[in-house]
Order: sequence, then structure tokens, then C-alpha cells
Amino acid sequence: EAGVTQSPTHLIKTRGQQATLRCSPISGHTSVYWYQQALGLGLQFLLWYDEGEERNRGNFPPRFSGRQFPNYSSELNVNALELEDSALYLCASSLKGIRTNEQYFGPGTRLTVT
Amino acid sequence: GDSVTQMEGPVTLSEEAFLTINCTYTATGYPSLFWYVQYPGEGLQLLLKATKADDKGSNKGFEATYRKETTSFHLEKGSVQVSDSAVYFCALLSGNTPLVFGKGTRLSVIA
Repeated sequence: EAGVTQSPTHLIKTRGQQATLRCSPISGHTSVYWYQQALGLGLQFLLWYDEGEERNRGNFPPRFSGRQFPNYSSELNVNALELEDSALYLCASSLKGIRTNEQYFGPGTRLTVT
Repeated sequence: GDSVTQMEGPVTLSEEAFLTINCTYTATGYPSLFWYVQYPGEGLQLLLKATKADDKGSNKGFEATYRKETTSFHLEKGSVQVSDSAVYFCALLSGNTPLVFGKGTRLSVIA
């Protein structure tokens, strides 16, 4: 069974540009989560999508947005990039709901903003 | 809000040494508790979990016990190997919110 996949592996952008990150969940999983892992800050929750709808959002500005497609894959968009957006962005998926279902993580996309 | 505090790293141990990584939490209600591991260059993998008080999670020689009275979920392993070198994250899940992670503890095991 294929795990969670993310693309691209690495992404280099300049300040002010937009970045698009992609995630494909494990087959059968309907929930997708995005986390930011910035140096020294641990993992911060960004967004949660389930069955095409945004269910919850972390404490990030509106220039962080995303969507979930009918096949449950997801995109994270970061507009007007700032230097501090440089981080590893991790996607996770789970079966519907989060109370008891384990989250499975992808390998991440390393975003560097120069 | 909910939070997780884990011991600062890095932790450096010799092979076959005993490992303890402390984790305490603050949460309303009765959270589920997790330990995730991140090997170099990889994403996070679930190492073990416990969903109620006094539960013990275990996997690959690691174990942790959910202690409600001390709000703790310390990770232990009796004899570490070089292959255990990684970053370990304690996390909790409470109510309908996503995972809340600690800042991670880097473990280096030397032969």
C-alpha cells in the first residue's frame, strides 16, 4: 500500500512569490492535515481538510490557504512568501475524523525562501 | 490551550544505554497521547500511542505509560541502538482538534 506522498521534495522561491505544495493521501483516507516544521519551532498545525471541506485552521495568516480535491488529494498555497516561511511542510492523512484515527505522515516538502 | 512539553535535546547516549525522554502535557478532557519518530530525511512515523489513563504503549522496544495523575507520557527504552538515532516527538489529541506536538528531542546513539 502506498503511503502519503508529497511533491515537490524541495522548493526554492524568492520573497513575495507564491508556493504550491501537493499531497496525496493513503488510499481510503479522506482527511488531510498540513503542518509546518520550522527550525526551532517544532511542528505547528496549519490546516485540516476532510471530504473536500476545511475543518480547522491553525494560527497562521490568511496567505496560507489550501484545498482538497474530489480524489482527496490536497494543495497548500502560500502567497506573498516571507523569509520565515522557510520550513519543512508535512502532510498527513487519516481515515475520517481524528479522535481515534492515526495520522500517517508524508516525507515533507522543504520550502526555502530567499 | 492544550500543550506538550518535552525535554530539551540533544541527548547523546552510548549503544545499549537506557533511554528516558520526558514528556508532560496540559489538556482539557482526556487526550490520547502519542510518540512519533522522525529519522533523518524522512517524515514522521507513529512509534506508539495510549488512549486512556494507565495504558502502556509499546513498539520496537520503546514503551510509555499514560499517567493522568502526573500528566506525563515519558518514553523509555532499555537498550538503545545506533539505529534509534532520530528526533522524537511527543503529541496529544484532544477533542476535535489536530495533533499538538512537543518541540522534539534529538537522540544520538554512538557505538
